[in-house]
Amino acid sequence: DIQMTQSPPSVSASVGDRVTITCRASQAIDNYLTWYQQKPGTAPKSLIYGASSLHSGVPTRFRGSQSERDFTLTIASLQPEDCATYYCQQYSAYPYTFGQGTKVEV
Amino acid sequence: QVQLQESGPGLVKPSQTLSLTCIVSGGSVRTAGYYWSWVRQVPGKGPEWIGYTHHSGTHLYNPSLKSRVRMSVDTSANHFSLEMSSVTAADTAVYYCARENGGNLFDSWGQGILVTVSS
Repeated sequence: DIQMTQSPPSVSASVGDRVTITCRASQAIDNYLTWYQQKPGTAPKSLIYGASSLHSGVPTRFRGSQSERDFTLTIASLQPEDCATYYCQQYSAYPYTFGQGTKVEV
Repeated sequence: QVQLQESGPGLVKPSQTLSLTCIVSGGSVRTAGYYWSWVRQVPGKGPEWIGYTHHSGTHLYNPSLKSRVRMSVDTSANHFSLEMSSVTAADTAVYYCARENGGNLFDSWGQGILVTVSS
């Protein structure tokens, strides 16, 4: 299985701060990576796919980038509604695997 | 806009079989190009892909669960199902059904159902 190592486990920041979350794949996955936002009691919501493509309706303060096996989710200017847990997921090969999550607190 | 809704018991005894159904509305399980998936999430942990099924009968399961999992599609009822046998407390989780599209992305999710394994 492809392991997805996500860091940090949690981050506390202020409104307007820049927040960066990283995810490293244990092997090459091309750009087959998606980022989810999950709020308590709800299903994950996909923000970014293909490592850097923003889903329709997702605020442009969210940005995804890639450097080989390292993937980054950046929130350019943190807003109160961004309080959530964020997960990466690879869809390069079955079984699909997820990171362990990063809890963002505002 | 397709909607998915999980249903089933919220409490299952150890060693028994967990059975869940995902009701599909606003779309058909026979629509070409889609695979019908199950994902679970232990509270506080990252999600885990369980597997998918297809109306053609094709299926693929996570090797870690393969010996205990069976999925099926009921085209007449427009729903799909998950059965997981010999459950233990480690199978306690929120179970989500989801639709995987041709781009290998989950583009629709159910709200999730908490299943607790306990005597």
